[in-house]
Amino acid sequence: AQTVTQSQPEMSVQEAETVTLSCTYDTSESDYYLFWYKQPPSRQMILVIRQEAYKQQNATENRFSVNFQKAAKSFSLKISDSQLGDAAMYFCAYRSAFPGANNLFFGTGTRLTVIP
Amino acid sequence: GAGVSQSPSNKVTEKGKDVELRCDPISGHTALYWYRQSLGQGLEFLIYFQGNSAPDKSGLPSDRFSAERTGGSVSTLTIQRTQQEDSAVYLCASSSTRAGETQYFGPGTRLLVL
Repeated sequence: AQTVTQSQPEMSVQEAETVTLSCTYDTSESDYYLFWYKQPPSRQMILVIRQEAYKQQNATENRFSVNFQKAAKSFSLKISDSQLGDAAMYFCAYRSAFPGANNLFFGTGTRLTVIP
Repeated sequence: GAGVSQSPSNKVTEKGKDVELRCDPISGHTALYWYRQSLGQGLEFLIYFQGNSAPDKSGLPSDRFSAERTGGSVSTLTIQRTQQEDSAVYLCASSSTRAGETQYFGPGTRLLVL
């Protein structure tokens, strides 16, 4: 089974600064999808960004970008110009592209605190 | 609806009782997933429904857990004879059928078994 590792249980960042959250994964597959989800105290998992493994270009969504290193099996999330509303748990997730592989595999999360 | 909805938001029950958790997916989404999030943990896959196909039950932790999806829309997750270790947040997600399609999550049901 695929495993996803987030080695930073907690991170903090000053408002308006940049922070990078780490994620590594273990797979023998060549085609897959990677995701970052945000979970605020409301519990709702919100998609932040996704990356298709066959794409070399790193995905970006406004202040959020990823550094996808396929050979190293690394998928870090960079948050620029951090805002108070970015404070949440962040989960990295993996999904196989193999037909019939349905579920997401999640890391244990990183709690991000934004300091005013 | 506009998003995935789940009910109840919170549920407190006594050990040994049965509980039913409901999920209403995004309209038009044929795939539906249930996950469990225990305190301080990531999400653990439970079960997956796709259209009229047989569900993928590979993540269900015991035979006390079951789920059904009626009419290809609303799903109910049932936990029989609840145990304290069943206490967790149960999250439902839905997606369209395209490969790798993003899963959109509901707000979850927090279950507490006393």
